[in-house]
Amino acid sequence: GAVVSQHPSRVICKSGTSVKIECRSLDFQATTMFWYRQFPKQSLMLMATSNEGSKATYEQGVEKDKFLINHASLTLSTLTVTSAHPEDSSFYICSAGPVREKLFFGSGTQLSVL
Amino acid sequence: TQLLEQSPQFLSIQEGENLTVYCNSSSVFSSLQWYRQEPGEGPVLLVTVVTGGEVKKLKRLTFQFGDARKDSSLHITAAQPGDTGLYLCAGHTGTASKLTFGTGTRLQVTL
Repeated sequence: GAVVSQHPSRVICKSGTSVKIECRSLDFQATTMFWYRQFPKQSLMLMATSNEGSKATYEQGVEKDKFLINHASLTLSTLTVTSAHPEDSSFYICSAGPVREKLFFGSGTQLSVL
Repeated sequence: TQLLEQSPQFLSIQEGENLTVYCNSSSVFSSLQWYRQEPGEGPVLLVTVVTGGEVKKLKRLTFQFGDARKDSSLHITAAQPGDTGLYLCAGHTGTASKLTFGTGTRLQVTL
């Protein structure tokens, strides 16, 4: 099956620093990747749609200058949380596809901002 | 904004019991998926239903898509501790691969 690799799995950073999260499709090409945010015990909220070679499409209420998305190749999308603050602490998950009409999810990144 | 409301939000049952989780919306979806997610991991796809009225079975799990393709249910028979997790429904509207996730149902199965 298709595999999506997400790194790092956990990151702790100081307030004001920037953090980059990578999402890679290992055995397939993904023209579209999606980034989600999940707070404890809550569902996944779509943040943005990442399109290879073009600008990302952000959901309403998501600050595009705060959450920078780059999809420079067919196998890699990155999410950079700029000037992170404690309220940005969350579980971030990416997905890629479709492959045979299915989306495949990364294992998530737990971001903790001190 | 399309909303998928799941009920119940939380369910704690004993091993061997049966349960049903509901996923409801006022919107029509071209397909609906169910996922299970464990803490600190990404969601794992359980099933996709496409046709109104469709019923799919996956061992002890039975999934049904409503006739109008606005709602779905997940029934688990003889729950086991290994069924513990967050169950999420997610709907496709036919726009690319964009998924709208439900509010989630947290299931805890104890011995």
